[in-house]
Amino acid sequence: DAGVIQSPRHEVTEMGQEVTLRCKPISGHDYLFWYRQTMMRGLELLIYFNNNVPIDDSGMPEDRFSAKMPNASFSTLKIQPSEPRDSAVYFCASSFQGDGKNIQYFGAGTRLSVL
Amino acid sequence: RKEVEQDPGPFNVPEGATVAFNCTYSNSASQSFFWYRQDCRKEPKLLMSVYSSGNEDGRFTAQLNRASQYISLLIRDSKLSDSATYLCVVGGDSWGKFQFGAGTQVVVTP
Repeated sequence: DAGVIQSPRHEVTEMGQEVTLRCKPISGHDYLFWYRQTMMRGLELLIYFNNNVPIDDSGMPEDRFSAKMPNASFSTLKIQPSEPRDSAVYFCASSFQGDGKNIQYFGAGTRLSVL
Repeated sequence: RKEVEQDPGPFNVPEGATVAFNCTYSNSASQSFFWYRQDCRKEPKLLMSVYSSGNEDGRFTAQLNRASQYISLLIRDSKLSDSATYLCVVGGDSWGKFQFGAGTQVVVTP
């Protein structure tokens, strides 16, 4: 299996621009998570989906952030408009409840810089 | 108070030595516990799950103390390749929802 695939790996944009991050979970996994990691705040859960349905978005910072999962193999995290304080590494992770192990597998992350 | 707290370190460890560190958690209802490892500029990866009775995986030993609400990780015979940040992960009240600690940095020196 290719693992969780995220794109782009790096994104540099200017304040005010729209940013879209993409994630393909491991095939067969029914949970998908979006995290943000910064030096100051560590790894924060933004939102997670179960069977493509958003379950908990309480970690989404504000209305500028939105996430979708139109099907089992694709999810997006969008920031519009972006701000310098959004600069961080954004990770997507997926897991499979059926194996009972509760292990999350992470993608390589998208390193976002907002200038 | 953070839900999961770790000593950030760094723990500077001579190669071949033993290092141990803890993580405390605040939610007494937590049911699942893990240690993840994160290398510099890489994604977190599962190191090991932590079971109630404690468990070993090679040179790594994890313990859970529910009464005092902490988990521990011990690394024996440290290798240079053990240098990383170790993230304490605690499962919350919803399946799949984790709380991550900020990580403990371990630096193994020759």
